[in-house]
Amino acid sequence: GAVVSQHPSWVICKSGTSVKIECRSLDFQATTMFWYRQFPKQSLMLMATSNEGSKATYEQGVEKDKFLINHASLTLSTLTVTSAHPEDSSFYICSAQHIKGGKDGYTFGSGTRLTVV
Amino acid sequence: LAKTTQPISMDSYEGQEVNITCSHNNIATNDYITWYQQFPSQGPRFIIQGYKTKVTNEVASLFIPADRKSSTLSLPRVSLSDTAVYYCLVGDLVTGGGNKLTFGTGTQLKVEL
Repeated sequence: GAVVSQHPSWVICKSGTSVKIECRSLDFQATTMFWYRQFPKQSLMLMATSNEGSKATYEQGVEKDKFLINHASLTLSTLTVTSAHPEDSSFYICSAQHIKGGKDGYTFGSGTRLTVV
Repeated sequence: LAKTTQPISMDSYEGQEVNITCSHNNIATNDYITWYQQFPSQGPRFIIQGYKTKVTNEVASLFIPADRKSSTLSLPRVSLSDTAVYYCLVGDLVTGGGNKLTFGTGTQLKVEL
């Protein structure tokens, strides 16, 4: 079945530094990838939608200059949290949609736990 | 995207059947109903998807009435390992094109001995 690999699974960084999270579709091509953020005991909140070769579309309230998204190929999207602060500490999850679409074409990564100290 | 409403939490015991109902009054003609399971510190995992009537796979059944304004996820004979958050999502997932999935609050299922 479709597999999405997310790396790293956890990261601790100092306040003010930047962190990059990778999302790869391992055995399929993904036209679209999505980035979510999840705080403890809350639901997933969609941050942005990225399409290969074009600029990401950010949800209202998400700072595009802080959360940089690059979707350079049909199998890789990256999320960079720039100048991270403690309030950015969260669980970040990516999802990839199979290029053929379809009913079960959304696969999620295993998530990245970001802790900013 | 159609908004969904589901119970915040449910408790059950091992071996019991659990039914989680989701309301989606504004479901559109092209929308499918999809359920995901999420364990702590993991990404959501696809459970089942349907458009109408009943769908069954190796882990669950999905019941959808004729008006499609609600759906019920049925987990037969739950075990402790079924303790998780279950999300009901409604959207057009057929045409592709980057239709985004919006998550509601989900239902925290707790299974005890």
